[in-house]
Amino acid sequence: DVKVTQSSRYLVKRTGEKVFLECVQDMDHENMFWYRQDPGLGLRLIYFSYDVKMKEKGDIPEGYSVSREKKERFSLILESASTNQTSMYLCASSTRLAYSGNTIYFGEGSWLTVV
Amino acid sequence: GQQLNQSPQSMFIQEGEDVSMNCTSSSIFNTWLWYKQDPGEGPVLLIALYKAGELTSNGRLTAQFGITRKDSFLNISASIPSDVGIYFCAGLPPGTYKYIFGTGTRLKVLA
Repeated sequence: DVKVTQSSRYLVKRTGEKVFLECVQDMDHENMFWYRQDPGLGLRLIYFSYDVKMKEKGDIPEGYSVSREKKERFSLILESASTNQTSMYLCASSTRLAYSGNTIYFGEGSWLTVV
Repeated sequence: GQQLNQSPQSMFIQEGEDVSMNCTSSSIFNTWLWYKQDPGEGPVLLIALYKAGELTSNGRLTAQFGITRKDSFLNISASIPSDVGIYFCAGLPPGTYKYIFGTGTRLKVLA
């Protein structure tokens, strides 16, 4: 059974704190993603990684960075959390097959509240 | 970023009724996926479609990959209260790993 695990389901952080969101997948997938999901805005891509140590900016990278030191693990970092980063964060992974057969799987989500 | 047109946005139905929703795009896709998301949870994959014209079922759910490769449909037969949630589609354009997501259909089932 496919599994994408996000380390924290619910976090409350103060403005200015550094925040780490961790994600692990057990499917040996090459691609990993971080999205944020807000009411009325749908899923928005923050960062994408297609290999270890490789990353690509998504649609809304400002205020975020990522780290992928191992194939199975992809971390999202908020260097200095702000209240407008309060959101649901979703990690996902998929194979590198950029044609039919590619499927993206999501984690359970991490609810971050910045106060 | 780009989003797919998904309709309807929301629907109330009676238990036992059939439900249909669809996603459309102005460009072609190689893959269509359908997910269900419960409040506070991550999306769960329901059906994956990889070929134009493909029709795939998963229990009471049936989805189709449109012949034009620009649309997809999801049907739920004989709805039950636990079908409540948000359903959304995802399409994969050729030559990319980045999916584009639908705006979601919120389903409410009246017992």
